[in-house]
Amino acid sequence: KAGVTQTPRYLIKTRGQQVTLSCSPISGHRSVSWYQQTPGQGLQFLFEYFSETQRNKGNFPGRFSGRQFSNSRSEMNVSTLELGDSALYLCASSLDQGRDSPLHFGNGTRLTVT
Amino acid sequence: GENVEQHPSTLSVQEGDSAVIKCTYSDSASNYFPWYKQELGKGPQLIIDIRSNVGEKKDQRIAVTLNKTAKHFSLHITETQPEDSAVYFCAARSLSGGYQKVTFGTGTKLQVIP
Repeated sequence: KAGVTQTPRYLIKTRGQQVTLSCSPISGHRSVSWYQQTPGQGLQFLFEYFSETQRNKGNFPGRFSGRQFSNSRSEMNVSTLELGDSALYLCASSLDQGRDSPLHFGNGTRLTVT
Repeated sequence: GENVEQHPSTLSVQEGDSAVIKCTYSDSASNYFPWYKQELGKGPQLIIDIRSNVGEKKDQRIAVTLNKTAKHFSLHITETQPEDSAVYFCAARSLSGGYQKVTFGTGTKLQVIP
């Protein structure tokens, strides 16, 4: 079974631009979560989607948004990029976080904002 | 919300020795505690997990213990090998906004010296 796939692997953007990251979950997984990973802050929860609905949201500004499609694939968007948005963005899927279903992570998208 | 603290941030051990990583959590309602290993350039991979109704779990050279009263849990790696070198994250799953949310510790960089 294929794992979680994130595209692209690397992105370089300039301040003020916007960016869209994509995540394809493991087949059959309906929950998709997004995390931001930085050296100083570890893994910070962004949001979680289940059946196209956002169920949970972390403490990030409204510039960070996401969505989930009917096939469970998910995208996250960051608008008006800031230097501090440079990070590894990780997507994780699970059958359903509400049950005993662990998170399975992709290899992330490395975003650099210059 | 849940807060997970992890210590130490870095750990160096000689090959063959044991390594112990400790975490504490704040939400007494947390009921599931996974551990992840992250190698360079990859996303975190689940290595072992424990549920709140269990005090200890082993899988070959890896074991996890949970003390619900003290709200702390630990990862034990015995007979360490160079391939164990990686960053390890503990996590706790708690209820947030009516849904489960996984909160991560800040990570421990383990170096196994041959």
